[in-house]
Amino acid sequence: SAVISQKPSRDICQRGTSLTIQCQVDSQVTMMFWYRQQPGQSLTLIATANQGSEATYESGFVIDKFPISRPNLTFSTLTVSNMSPEDSSIYLCSVKPGHGETGELFFGEGSRLTVL
Amino acid sequence: GQNIDQPTEMTATEGAIVQINCTYQTSGFNGLFWYQQHAGEAPTFLSYNVLDGLEEKGRFSSFLSRSKGYSYLLLKELQMKDSASYLCAVPDSNYQLIWGAGTKLIIKP
Repeated sequence: SAVISQKPSRDICQRGTSLTIQCQVDSQVTMMFWYRQQPGQSLTLIATANQGSEATYESGFVIDKFPISRPNLTFSTLTVSNMSPEDSSIYLCSVKPGHGETGELFFGEGSRLTVL
Repeated sequence: GQNIDQPTEMTATEGAIVQINCTYQTSGFNGLFWYQQHAGEAPTFLSYNVLDGLEEKGRFSSFLSRSKGYSYLLLKELQMKDSASYLCAVPDSNYQLIWGAGTKLIIKP
């Protein structure tokens, strides 16, 4: 298993500003992901955070809007840039600590952002 | 392409049994996950099925039929704390999880 600490847990932000979310894991993990969950909807994968290289973004998400850092195997950050009300959502960090391709995912507590 | 369908909402009574269905369409199959998500919280892992049949884990059981592209989550002896959304997810060809929209389960006394 893995214990994931995510902060901030919630924040209220002004339009046009940027916010960085931090994700700290209690063990080294290869696979780390950032998800978004908009109100009443399921999880959408933003990107895979790769240690030592650029993140791999899913369709509809770009580095300029969601820059990601992954300096080591236990830590990552996601920045939501130039925020608009449409970015109001829960952002979740998740990791797959198991060996092999189909291990379960563990999630951080989530960061609930409200953009005014 | 990938597609996952599950009911949007279900209501059940405390102490009863409820079955939450999930149908999926995938190119290839790498197993199926069920997660529980309480309102305002992160999802937590419930089960993973890769072979056909029923797997029981306490009050919760999960069933899979690969030939039918079908799974269900069975919750017995329902408790109020079981009120949550239940998410079905399958890995795609790159082993990234594709998520269903979730089934919101409402438990009434």
